[in-house]
Formats: sequence, C-alpha cells, structure tokens
Amino acid sequence: NAGVTQTPKFRVLKTGQSMTLLCAQDMNHEYMYWYRQDPGMGLRLIHYSVGEGTTAKGEVPDGYNVSRLKKQNFLLGLESAAPSQTSVYFCASSSAGTNPLQYFGAGTRLSVL
Amino acid sequence: AQSVTQLGSHVSVSEGALVLLRCNYSSSVPPYLFWYVQYPNQGLQLLLKYTSAATLVKGINGFEAEFKKSETSFHLTKPSAHMSDAAEYFCAVSISGGYNKLIFGAGTRLAVHP
Repeated sequence: NAGVTQTPKFRVLKTGQSMTLLCAQDMNHEYMYWYRQDPGMGLRLIHYSVGEGTTAKGEVPDGYNVSRLKKQNFLLGLESAAPSQTSVYFCASSSAGTNPLQYFGAGTRLSVL
Repeated sequence: AQSVTQLGSHVSVSEGALVLLRCNYSSSVPPYLFWYVQYPNQGLQLLLKYTSAATLVKGINGFEAEFKKSETSFHLTKPSAHMSDAAEYFCAVSISGGYNKLIFGAGTRLAVHP
C-alpha cells in the first residue's frame, strides 16, 4: 500500500547545483504530476505526464525538466538550482478517464542557498 | 481559463463553533471541484469532491460543501470545530478533458482555539 512515494524527503542545495527528485507510484496510474507549493500561493503545476515517454509543461515549468521513462516513475530535475526554487515539491498520480482522483506523495522540502 | 479564489488566508474559530471556509471558482465549462486538507509537514488528503452528481457533498471528518452554480461557489463547512481540524485547506478545480490537472486556490489556514 505504498501509493505515491517521493525521494528524498529533504534536501539542501547550493545555487548552481543539480539534483533529481524521484516519484514512484504503484497504482498503475497513467497520469503523473509535479507541483510546487509556496506560502500564499497554493500548489502550482510544474510538469505533467499522460503516459510513459510523454511529458508536458504546466503552469510554472521554467528551470525544471522531467522524464517518464517508466510508467511508474516520474523524475523532476533541476539542472542549475536557484534560490527561487526553494519550495516544497509534491508529486501526484491519477488514472485516466473522466476526472478520477489525484493521489499525492508526502512531499520533498528543498532549500537552495 | 479556470481559477480558484479562497477568501481569507487565515481563519480562527473556537472549538465547537461553525467552520466556514470560502471558495469561489471561475470556469467556462462545468467544473469538478475538490477540497483538500494538509496537516503540518504532511501531504494533501482529499476531504471531498463535487462531480455534478449532487450539489451538497459530504466528506470525511464531518465536513461538507455545497456547489452553488449561480454564485460560482463551493464553500466548505463543518458544524462544530474540533482541535484536530487545525490545518491548511485547499480548494481546487479541474475540468473534463484537461488530463485531470488541478488548479489550486492559495489555501486557508484554520486555527482552532479552546
């Protein structure tokens, strides 16, 4: 009953460093999403994927790249981290079809110094 | 384009008092509406969802919300607040055919005091 698992849970980076956040789901969901959460702004969609090998930009994609090489995994990459990317990142997944639920991971807290 | 406005970034109530968290949406097509709750340092948990089956939606933990198309609102209520309700609450909207993407409001932090 893992659901959506995000790793790591916490990370501190220096400006200019790179890192990859991993999201794994065991529900055989078609759709996966990456959001960032900032105080007073709710959650905003960064990128999403509607199937293995496909990705698309969301509301705030700049500075991030994603890959979905396997159906169960959705990776979010920061090539050159900036302080503005300090945030809490959430991954979610859902099945295809008419508006099923999104299931969220526990989040990754990232600080960029 | 869809959008969500949550009125009041902070709401404070006494234990046992009515909880009312306000959400207004903008959508050019019939929306699907959600309320999520986030407890400190945790992920998001679904409270309830509206998908056009019934305008009054009952969720978990005694919460309910009413969809009012004429007012483009989906306010969240609970008759009697409990200390354990203290959390941040997010209203969200999605539309059919949009790959189920969610548009979130900014959130309302609920404080419950004795």
